[in-house]
Amino acid sequence: GEDVEQSLFLSVREGDSSVINCTYTDSSSTYLYWYKQEPGAGLQLLTYIFSNMDMKQDQRLTVLLNKKDKHLSLRIADTQTGDSAIYFCAEIGGSQGNLIFGKGTKLSVKP
Amino acid sequence: EPEVTQTPSHQVTQMGQEVILRCVPISNHLYFYWYRQILGQKVEFLVSFYNNEISEKSEIFDDQFSVERPDGSNFTLKIRSTKLEDSAMYFCASSGTSGRNEQFFGPGTRLTVL
Repeated sequence: GEDVEQSLFLSVREGDSSVINCTYTDSSSTYLYWYKQEPGAGLQLLTYIFSNMDMKQDQRLTVLLNKKDKHLSLRIADTQTGDSAIYFCAEIGGSQGNLIFGKGTKLSVKP
Repeated sequence: EPEVTQTPSHQVTQMGQEVILRCVPISNHLYFYWYRQILGQKVEFLVSFYNNEISEKSEIFDDQFSVERPDGSNFTLKIRSTKLEDSAMYFCASSGTSGRNEQFFGPGTRLTVL
């Protein structure tokens, strides 16, 4: 079945770039998503990429998609302490649009 | 900005009791979902709901679970007889008609079964 894998932890210094990686299995997913979860909060949709695109840039966020390798990454430029959160990669898992999530990558930003 | 709301934020219940988790999706959305996240594990899909009926459900969504949209605004998840392993964070989500399937999540209800 569909599966999404991510590394569990990433630690960076404030001002550096962060790169969070994800691999997925369902190549038919038309969109892929990045969600952010701050402590005690729900899942916030950060950005998404259409499967026909290789790259999408949105202010400090850059999403790269390698369809051949089924690899998705999220780059956060000039990472701030407010970026500390868990980041989830997700693909569409069913015909009704339900999402399949990875376990999430906990990003820690050190001042 | 419109948002999905959920109540209660935390529910504690005894094993075997029934619980109802409530959600108010974004008002012009048509697709509704429940997910759960057991502590330290992945966010898992439970059920999707469209046009007043279940459109898809996962293996987790067994006969103990049911969903309802009793009026034009609320969307509820009922667990008939809770088990210890039902303890989790339950998230409601809704999406509109855009092909991008942008799902907006509520803040979640933490369910603790004792």
